[in-house]
Amino acid sequence: QVQLMESGGGVVQPGKSLRLSCAASAFTFSSYTMHWVRQAPGKDLEWVVLMSYDGTIKYYADSVRGRFSISRDNSKNTLYLQMNTLRDDDTATYYCARGAQHLVQGSFDMWGQGTTVTVSS
Amino acid sequence: DIVMTQSPDSLAVSLGERATINCKSSQSVLYNSNNKNYLAWYQQQPGQPPKLLFHWASTRESGVPDRFSGSGSGTDFTLTISNLQAEDVAVYYCQQYYTTPFTFGPGTRVDIK
Repeated sequence: QVQLMESGGGVVQPGKSLRLSCAASAFTFSSYTMHWVRQAPGKDLEWVVLMSYDGTIKYYADSVRGRFSISRDNSKNTLYLQMNTLRDDDTATYYCARGAQHLVQGSFDMWGQGTTVTVSS
Repeated sequence: DIVMTQSPDSLAVSLGERATINCKSSQSVLYNSNNKNYLAWYQQQPGQPPKLLFHWASTRESGVPDRFSGSGSGTDFTLTISNLQAEDVAVYYCQQYYTTPFTFGPGTRVDIK
């Protein structure tokens, strides 16, 4: 069925790096803007970054700009999030979410189950 | 950035009664060119990812019970749950997708009284 599945989370020391992946299935991944959204334990949802369907447009939240990098491989139906110089406040569950078809602006109609990132020494 | 606020922070409602959640954006999320409000509502049940309930402020997603309704325009929006059911216990978030960053409200927790 139509789904998103994140992987790559784990425990990492402050200042280190981690790469998350989001595998999409049963829909035309290459037609959709994709997002990463995170949620710190017991906290609210925070939008992190988006990439347009063709990879030409990226927008980052101020909190991660310059440290995180989004990419996608439409041939593999996979979205990535490279997280560098991790900080304690990056600890969260990271969700990938499907946005609009061929547009940047749109609601998020499909979410993965999330992958947990814990930044701790 | 557009700041989203929600009220109340939490509420407890008896089964079968109505729950009303308010959402306010710091600037209008209504695009005059297409007369659409770039506002979504999500439900997050315990231990689950968020689920989209409404987009364009009032367009219900397929499969969402019609006891859920979304309304409002510009900067003020409302999510109403009529005839509250046990499975509606969740945190509800509004989100604007008018401009990046696509900010979420802080959430409203709905419990059974």
